[in-house]
Amino acid sequence: DAGVTQSPTHLIKTRGQQVTLRCSPKSGHDTVSWYQQALGQGPQFIFQYYEEEERQRGNFPDRFSGHQFPNYSSELNVNALLLGDSALYLCASSLEGRGLFFFGQGTRLTVV
Amino acid sequence: EDQVTQSPEALRLQEGESSSLNCSYTVSGLRGLFWYRQDPGKGPEFLFTLYSAGEEKEKERLKATLTKKESFLHITAPKPEDSATYLCAVQAIKAAGNKLTFGGGTRVLVKP
Repeated sequence: DAGVTQSPTHLIKTRGQQVTLRCSPKSGHDTVSWYQQALGQGPQFIFQYYEEEERQRGNFPDRFSGHQFPNYSSELNVNALLLGDSALYLCASSLEGRGLFFFGQGTRLTVV
Repeated sequence: EDQVTQSPEALRLQEGESSSLNCSYTVSGLRGLFWYRQDPGKGPEFLFTLYSAGEEKEKERLKATLTKKESFLHITAPKPEDSATYLCAVQAIKAAGNKLTFGGGTRVLVKP
């Protein structure tokens, strides 16, 4: 049983560019959340998708957007990248109504 | 607003030297408190969920306890492989989608 998988594992982008990160949830899970983790800090909630809609959003600007597909996989898009967007981006999946989230290995984004 | 504070920020232990990590929280109605382990550059790995004051859970050398204001993660006779960052997170009853609010983590280094 594959767990949560994210791609790519590492990414280097230039300021002002756009990036798309991808996540496949654990088998049987239908809810996907995205978190940003800066170096030495705890993860910060970006948003959550369920039934292909954004259900809840953290304190992140509109440059951060997402999508969920019918197979429950998800994408995180970040436009107009800033140096401060450099972080480990984590995807977590769960089954709706169950509070337990399992995390992927993350995508390390470096903005130069 | 839900808040989680972990202490200490870092902990250096000799192999076999038991210790405790603290997680203080404020939340308007606790649905659950979660402990995760995170290795460098990896995603958080689920350890425990605690739901009510007085609850305790154990896994190998780790034991988690919960009161109405804080949780402790006790590490008994640690080994070098217990070196990691330990993250605490809370989930509020009112949180749509069950989002997790994380603390900053405690970095544990166990020396042989």
